[in-house]
Amino acid sequence: GDSVTQMEGPVTLSEEAFLTINCTYTATGYPSLFWYVQYPGEGLQLLLKATKADDKGSNKGFEATYRKETTSFHLEKGSVQVSDSAVYFCALSDRSGGYQKVTFGTGTKLQVIP
Amino acid sequence: DAGITQSPRHKVTETGTPVTLRCHQTENHRYMYWYRQDPGHGLRLIHYSYGVKDTDKGEVSDGYSVSRSKTEDFLLTLESATSSQTSVYFCAISEFREETRTDTQYFGPGTRLTVL
Repeated sequence: GDSVTQMEGPVTLSEEAFLTINCTYTATGYPSLFWYVQYPGEGLQLLLKATKADDKGSNKGFEATYRKETTSFHLEKGSVQVSDSAVYFCALSDRSGGYQKVTFGTGTKLQVIP
Repeated sequence: DAGITQSPRHKVTETGTPVTLRCHQTENHRYMYWYRQDPGHGLRLIHYSYGVKDTDKGEVSDGYSVSRSKTEDFLLTLESATSSQTSVYFCAISEFREETRTDTQYFGPGTRLTVL
């Protein structure tokens, strides 16, 4: 079945540091890929997505490129801020059995210190 | 914002009592989902609905039932709550975009349930 593996956290960075959170996936079809962000006490918010190979999703300074050859969708940001502290979830989506089946990674907690 | 609300936002109950969580959406989406979130597991699908009175099981459906009598409301019921059902529960809707022919899920704010 489908699966998503993302790097263990927590990840602790200083403000303005470069961020990479690794995400790899296995899927039988041609999934869409997503990054969601969850701030404390809140639900998951869509951060960015990519729907086919070589697509780059971007939002709020975050980027991720759909790499089919390496089955990866790594999240990057050039300069993190304290306000980026949150849990980040990588996910893939396909239409199995007629409904949108989403498989989530276990989440990576990011802490940015001033 | 996909117009999703959940109620209650927090609940503490005792083992063996029934509990119903409500998800309400305002944008007439066909597909709705219930997930639970637990440390080390990410989000796991409990049940989903593909229309009024149309529901099906997800990967962790044991001990849960759902109902959808109106498009806007999707109810999750724990018939007899157990401590293992202590979790954060999220409702989601699925939005299909014709231009990319892809679905995207959007989530409600969650309900934190504690079963003592």
